[in-house]
Amino acid sequence: QVQLQESGPGLVKPSQTLSLTCSVSGGSISSGNHYWSWIRQHPGKGLEWIGYIYYSGTTYYNPSLKSRVTISVDTSKNYFSLRVSSLTAADTAVYFCARLPEFGTITDAFDIWGQGTMVTVSS
Amino acid sequence: QSVLTQPPSLSGAPGQTVTISCAGSSSNIGAGYDVHWYQQLPGTAPKLLIYGNTNRPSGVPDRFSGSKSDTSASLIISGLQTEDEADYYCQSYDSSLSGVVFGGGTKLTV
Repeated sequence: QVQLQESGPGLVKPSQTLSLTCSVSGGSISSGNHYWSWIRQHPGKGLEWIGYIYYSGTTYYNPSLKSRVTISVDTSKNYFSLRVSSLTAADTAVYFCARLPEFGTITDAFDIWGQGTMVTVSS
Repeated sequence: QSVLTQPPSLSGAPGQTVTISCAGSSSNIGAGYDVHWYQQLPGTAPKLLIYGNTNRPSGVPDRFSGSKSDTSASLIISGLQTEDEADYYCQSYDSSLSGVVFGGGTKLTV
């Protein structure tokens, strides 16, 4: 049973860069032709898709965040990462990592989610 | 403001049936992209409830069903139970935005 676990700092300063990692356990990140994704949820608000990375490294980003976001994958360590630059208070949110099903496309549902990690942007 | 529109809140009594709507447009649901539904209990991650408009993942009770028509979709919950009290989100893909879009969420009170 594949499980995802986010990790990273809970507090970051404005203008800095946020780095989060999603560790994949119970399976290989490079098997099954999966897309891996980051999604965030502002406090008390709805869900916002950040971007995808395919196991081969191809990426797709939310156009509204594209200029500040980088998603990468490390198949040797079985995790994928998110970097968000030029942080402001508006980036305060719970960040989830999630997976698309085997051989899924970017229009498919997220079948597995991490538990989420709260990130607060404040000086 | 979300690309997909859901009612902010709904309520129902145990045993009743409720329908949560998800209204989209010609660039997402109306373009033929699938709609998926998630249930989010307080303090937890969303859980996939319906995928591909009408399909239930293994383990999801058949009290939950989905439908899609034109530019909108619906999640139907029959035989409401107290444990169904949660936030529900619809998701699709939008060709104009070139990305995944979510509804704003519906808080269901039982």
